[in-house]
Amino acid sequence: GENVEQHPSTLSVQEGDSAVIKCTYSDSASNYFPWYKQELGKRPQLIIDIRSNVGEKKDQRIAVTLNKTAKHFSLHITETQPEDSAVYFCAAKERETSYDKVIFGPGTSLSVIP
Amino acid sequence: GAVVSQHPSWVICKSGTSVKIECRSLDFQATTMFWYRQFPKQSLMLMATSNEGSKATYEQGVEKDKFLINHASLTLSTLTVTSAHPEDSSFYICSAGVKAYGYTFGSGTRLTVV
Repeated sequence: GENVEQHPSTLSVQEGDSAVIKCTYSDSASNYFPWYKQELGKRPQLIIDIRSNVGEKKDQRIAVTLNKTAKHFSLHITETQPEDSAVYFCAAKERETSYDKVIFGPGTSLSVIP
Repeated sequence: GAVVSQHPSWVICKSGTSVKIECRSLDFQATTMFWYRQFPKQSLMLMATSNEGSKATYEQGVEKDKFLINHASLTLSTLTVTSAHPEDSSFYICSAGVKAYGYTFGSGTRLTVV
């Protein structure tokens, strides 16, 4: 099955700087890669996603890149703000029969220092 | 759109008792729902995939007789933790797939077994 690795596990940046989180996946058949932000005690919120036919996607301060050959994808947050502090999870959708499972990476705890 | 409701949001139960958690898709029909468990400061671990009208598919290491899943309709899936023990204390969260792409999470249930 699919295995998703994520680095770093913790990340501290100064407000205004950029943050980059990297993930790798193992199943070359995976074709959908969402990123979630989870604040303490709350449900994960989808912040951006990318499909395998696209190499890059951007939404305001957030961008995601995908390298299918190398099987890795990254989240880029520019001009970080204190409210960006949270745990971020990358994920990959595993193709299986008629339904698709989403497998999560272990998470990155991001702290933005004012 | 794509609202998923989960109930209860938190529950405390005595060791040895059972507790039921409901996951409802409010504005769409979900043929597939996923159940995750999240221990403190850890990632979301997929427990099982629930398909309407059929038996759930459990991930390796998850006891199907302990975590009973019923997906009786296109808008409701339930997870029953039977004979709960303190080590079952966790954050349980469901998600429902929309058009096979994108997943909406429920609000989660904080289970504490005392």
